[in-house]
Amino acid sequence: DAKTTQPPSMDCAEGRAANLPCNHSTISGNEYVYWYRQIHSQGPQYIIHGLKNNETNEMASLIITEDRKSSTLILPHATLRDTAVYYCIVRVRAGGTSYGKLTFGQGTILTVHP
Amino acid sequence: ETGVTQTPRHLVMGMTNKKSLKCEQHLGHNAMYWYKQSAKKPLELMFVYSLEERVENNSVPSRFSPECPNSSHLFLHLHTLQPEDSALYLCASSQVPGGETQYFGPGTRLLVL
Repeated sequence: DAKTTQPPSMDCAEGRAANLPCNHSTISGNEYVYWYRQIHSQGPQYIIHGLKNNETNEMASLIITEDRKSSTLILPHATLRDTAVYYCIVRVRAGGTSYGKLTFGQGTILTVHP
Repeated sequence: ETGVTQTPRHLVMGMTNKKSLKCEQHLGHNAMYWYKQSAKKPLELMFVYSLEERVENNSVPSRFSPECPNSSHLFLHLHTLQPEDSALYLCASSQVPGGETQYFGPGTRLLVL
């Protein structure tokens, strides 16, 4: 799996957009980008994933650069409840009966301020 | 609202005790996972059951023993643990294929004295 690099911490004002970067310069053509977050003392929560097109769901948007070497998770209107550790994971999507083997790094601690 | 539940949420045990952690998923998934998260460390994958068969055992000490009686239930049996086993134990489930989208439970906070 491709290695990812994320800033250790970021701050954001409540109501503003939070843009969390992830570098994955060694990503392969069949590897997806997944984002999870973990609010303090809770289990991780799946947010979004994508291959090469930008993706949006009710939680966030994922922007992947054209060369796929980096991506940005966007929380359009951050709230205090978005304070969490955000993990960017690159992984080949399992096929057949294969399960998903996620490798979590240290992630980015996002702190949303009032 | 999570579709994965874990009990107990907190557990304190001595090194000679035997206890079990329980996980139940209500999402109709066919794969279940145990992760360990120690303080200041990333999540570590411990065990994976896919289609009720154990498919991964990441060099976990034998004092941890998983059990998956059916696709909805997963247990982690604990015996003669060490203080360094104190951690947050997380259960997750997913559908296979496509198991990268995993749904996690709230975890069991374990303290070994």
